[in-house]
Amino acid sequence: AQSVSQHNHHVILSEAASLELGCNYSYGGTVNLFWYVQYPGQHLQLLLKYFSGDPLVKGIKGFEAEFIKSKFSFNLRKPSVQWSDTAEYFCAGYNQGGKLIFGQGTELSVKP
Amino acid sequence: GAVVSQHPSRVICKSGTSVKIECRSLDFQATTMFWYRQFPKQSLMLMATSNEGSKATYEQGVEKDKFLINHASLTLSTLTVTSAHPEDSSFYICSATPRQGGFYEQYFGPGTRLTVT
Repeated sequence: AQSVSQHNHHVILSEAASLELGCNYSYGGTVNLFWYVQYPGQHLQLLLKYFSGDPLVKGIKGFEAEFIKSKFSFNLRKPSVQWSDTAEYFCAGYNQGGKLIFGQGTELSVKP
Repeated sequence: GAVVSQHPSRVICKSGTSVKIECRSLDFQATTMFWYRQFPKQSLMLMATSNEGSKATYEQGVEKDKFLINHASLTLSTLTVTSAHPEDSSFYICSATPRQGGFYEQYFGPGTRLTVT
């Protein structure tokens, strides 16, 4: 991925709502994509990753993401969010130089 | 497993002084460590890549004389902000790649909040 972009800057949901956060990457050969979460005051944690194989990737905490090559997308989904999912979410991918490039981040606020 | 620590978590220093931030991989050997900078409400920007026993590779626009990086061992990398100024105030995050985990596995430290007064 030469660049990674996230179009949702701030998403506000009520508990139990479904979540989908967008992530688009620019094609750069081998695709290695990640979703990280950063809870308030905490460090980045890996939610899930895609290197190859099944385009539907299951991660921790009930999250999943689907790699759609034709759309250059790697959207993050969760069927039912909880208040504890309030955090900043980052999509990231490696560029051809082996550097991890982050999207702008999406702030998710879940209202109880 | 795969825990990365940073010390200190917060530091306040006066303009013109130098500050050292440590990044340690606690339960694995890291062939490569990375240093990122994160401004409030913004994404992480890679500053430099640090390989054990060799000089760090800095990203374009990052002053290597200002941000000194030393990767002294397979478990420790340090970032020294020299002659710090208020514009250097930021959140600095390191990450590390496990030796046996493949190049694409990065584990992140909790970050260091630097405030220069």
